Amino acid sequence: AQSVAQPEDQVNVAEGNPLTVKCTYSVSGNPYLFWYVQYPNRGLQFLLKYITGDNLVKGSYGFEAEFNKSQTSFHLKKPSALVSDSALYFCAVTSWDTGGFKTIFGAGTRLFVKA
Amino acid sequence: GAVVSQHPSWVICKSGTSVKIECRSLDFQATTMFWYRQFPKQSLMLMATSNEGSKATYEQGVEKDKFLINHASLTLSTLTVTSAHPEDSSFYICSASGPVEFTEAFFGQGTRLTVV
Repeated sequence: AQSVAQPEDQVNVAEGNPLTVKCTYSVSGNPYLFWYVQYPNRGLQFLLKYITGDNLVKGSYGFEAEFNKSQTSFHLKKPSALVSDSALYFCAVTSWDTGGFKTIFGAGTRLFVKA
Repeated sequence: GAVVSQHPSWVICKSGTSVKIECRSLDFQATTMFWYRQFPKQSLMLMATSNEGSKATYEQGVEKDKFLINHASLTLSTLTVTSAHPEDSSFYICSASGPVEFTEAFFGQGTRLTVV
């Protein structure tokens, strides 16, 4: 069965410092990996995805993520954090089964960026 | 990106009544739509997957008679919470994917349901 783990409930970082939000996954076959961000009382906004190709994926708002197959990780990164990046971040993995494709989400990591 | 509109954004209803939530893909045809439930400070829990013109596939533990899902067209799916009770109060989010090539799912803005 597929699964996604976000080991940190919360990440605190100072504005201007680099940030990393961790994600590991378990899935049979090739994974489709995603990062989404959620602001209070809102739906999810897509940040970036890895389907195939370069392991370093660049996405919206300056975020990037690195796919590491050997470590089954897909950590989200940003070189310089902004206060406005403070939000809830979800890692997701999609895989195919006989019923079609299914996406499951990690538990989420709350990012606090302090000015 | 593609736009998914979810309506209403919030709703308050009395215990025992039913509530319908709509999820529309505005600029693409969504062959598959997903319904999630999110509890406070928790992740999204997939409730069901619906394909246009066929019955929804419910996740284990989700009562199909309580959460009625209809996906009658390529642009509209509805979730009806029947005989709602306070424990059904939650944030419900839909997402939609297009048919051509698999891409990321696009999410509605969510519906905050409060049952009093």
